[in-house]
Amino acid sequence: SAVISQKPSRDICQRGTSLTIQCQVDSQVTMMFWYRQQPGQSLTLIATANQGSEATYESGFVIDKFPISRPNLTFSTLTVSNMSPEDSSIYLCSVGPRVNTEAFFGQGTRLTVV
Amino acid sequence: AQRVTQPEKLLSVFKGAPVELKCNYSYSGSPELFWYVQYSRQRLQLLLRHISRESIKGFTADLNKGETSFHLKKPFAQEEDSAMYYCALKAGGSEKLVFGKGTKLTVNP
Repeated sequence: SAVISQKPSRDICQRGTSLTIQCQVDSQVTMMFWYRQQPGQSLTLIATANQGSEATYESGFVIDKFPISRPNLTFSTLTVSNMSPEDSSIYLCSVGPRVNTEAFFGQGTRLTVV
Repeated sequence: AQRVTQPEKLLSVFKGAPVELKCNYSYSGSPELFWYVQYSRQRLQLLLRHISRESIKGFTADLNKGETSFHLKKPFAQEEDSAMYYCALKAGGSEKLVFGKGTKLTVNP
């Protein structure tokens, strides 16, 4: 299993500012994933964070808006840049699933942009 | 492209009644299918996966490749089953999950 600590758990931010979300895993993992869950919507993958290489972004998400760091095998950050109210969402960090294992999720960061 | 469809956004049943949460998927290869659950104020967690063919908390789900479905069933719902349920698909060779929009299950006393 994996225990994921994510912080902050929630924040209220002014538009135009940036917020960095941290994700710490209690074991070494190759890939970490960042999801967004907008109100009433499903989880949408933003990007895959690989240690030692650039993050891989899904369609509709760009590095300038969501820069990601992955300095080691247990930690990653996601920054939401130049925020607007449309960025209000829950952001989730995840690891897995690998073969015959499950995915584990952080508790999420509830972001409100005003 | 992979897609997961959960047609019911909300589902309400009475305690002791059978419950079925529907999930259909679109994927050309052999998928791995999962059900994740999120109880109030808790993080998302795995409920079951089709590979293990196990029953968790009385829930079962059978992968029907002909109908491309992975419906979640429980013969007698309990109030503690009230939660948000997400069906998810993992394509072969990938660690990425594609989620459905979720179904909010409410079990009334």
